[in-house]
Amino acid sequence: DTAVSQTPKYLVTQMGNDKSIKCEQNLGHDTMYWYKQDSKKFLKIMFSYNNKELIINETVPNRFSPKSPDKAHLNLHINSLELGDSAVYFCASSQVNSPLHFGNGTRLTVT
Amino acid sequence: GENVEQHPSTLSVQEGDSAVIKCTYSDSASNYFPWYKQELGKGPQLIIDIRSNVGEKKDQRIAVTLNKTAKHFSLHITETQPEDSAVYFCAARSSGNTPLVFGKGTRLSVIA
Repeated sequence: DTAVSQTPKYLVTQMGNDKSIKCEQNLGHDTMYWYKQDSKKFLKIMFSYNNKELIINETVPNRFSPKSPDKAHLNLHINSLELGDSAVYFCASSQVNSPLHFGNGTRLTVT
Repeated sequence: GENVEQHPSTLSVQEGDSAVIKCTYSDSASNYFPWYKQELGKGPQLIIDIRSNVGEKKDQRIAVTLNKTAKHFSLHITETQPEDSAVYFCAARSSGNTPLVFGKGTRLSVIA
């Protein structure tokens, strides 16, 4: 009964490939996010969706495209992967004015 | 936009001692300040939070203090235990729909 679950946990791929990370939350939250954590542990917001609508899109290359089929799911698709995309990607969810709940992350390694 | 600075980046304490992590924020409109603990291989987990209408909040060995005038807030962990070893993040948010902005984290090591 994991609250925020994301798959896969590990993803190793070559430069130039296209890959997707899936996220699902069973908390009934209206807002979902993708955060990127680099090698120095810095957590940075990438996208925020509220009720399937994109509300925040930080300075992220357009190779990254989030997709929200319903308010319980927010997937992240990445085209033409680059070495610099290697990081841990966290999905999270929340309600307005309530704490953020994170998934356990997807470690992406681009070789 | 909001900018959150966190110090120190690493902290080592002896088991049983106290640990203090400090954060400052830039946006005076920020009104929500959570602290997260991240263990190896896991996502950050909320351990305590405070809103701007409160100066201090305590939950067992963990406390958070907020100084709105100075725009800083601190995490205090008393009687530290080895299982407190982790990376701790502070964060700030100005309104319900804006995303949390995180500090750069503090790696706490509790030495038995």
